[in-house]
Amino acid sequence: EDQVTQSPEALRLQEGESSSLNCSYTVSGLRGLFWYRQDPGKGPEFLFTLYSAGEEKEKERLKATLTKKESFLHITAPKPEDSATYLCAVLAPWGQNFVFGPGTRLSVLP
Amino acid sequence: EAQVTQNPRYLITVTGKKLTVTCSQNMNHEYMSWYRQDPGLGLRQIYYSMNVEVTDKGDVPEGYKVSRKEKRNFPLILESPSPNQTSLYFCASTLGTSGNSGGELFFGEGSRLTVL
Repeated sequence: EDQVTQSPEALRLQEGESSSLNCSYTVSGLRGLFWYRQDPGKGPEFLFTLYSAGEEKEKERLKATLTKKESFLHITAPKPEDSATYLCAVLAPWGQNFVFGPGTRLSVLP
Repeated sequence: EAQVTQNPRYLITVTGKKLTVTCSQNMNHEYMSWYRQDPGLGLRQIYYSMNVEVTDKGDVPEGYKVSRKEKRNFPLILESPSPNQTSLYFCASTLGTSGNSGGELFFGEGSRLTVL
């Protein structure tokens, strides 16, 4: 069974304190790994897609990387507005089923 | 403006009373799907549709039905709701999921359903 896990469950950072979020998956034949941001009471908002090991994508203070078994979302010098839940998801190889991880709840304190 | 629209946003109903949550997208996307989000369990896929008249089960399809008669609409039907279907529901769409492109989902704002 495909599994996606994320760690830590929650993370509290001071403004400017860089860190990384982890997404581990057990899907073989990955067709895509996706990162989303979700604010309270809102639908998830797309951030990045990664397709193959070694790939990296960047957007402002966020950088996503992918290995064969996990992905990292690096947050450099975060600001309070980066506070949100960050979700990763994988696209299963045989169907069109997206499997989501439980998310990491990030709080950035001023 | 490109968007996925769900209705209703909030609904309180009673056990057994059939209800439909509508979902519409204006981006001409082929793929649409429904998710439920519960504390500690994350987002779980209920049903998805690759195109008109093509639907398939996700991870938690029990107690739900869907239909895809038009490309833009993908309603979620609860024929006989039960309290364990109390949840936050999201509809999402994407252009397609084939090959090494696309797959990024656009989500609606969510529909919070309470079944008493």
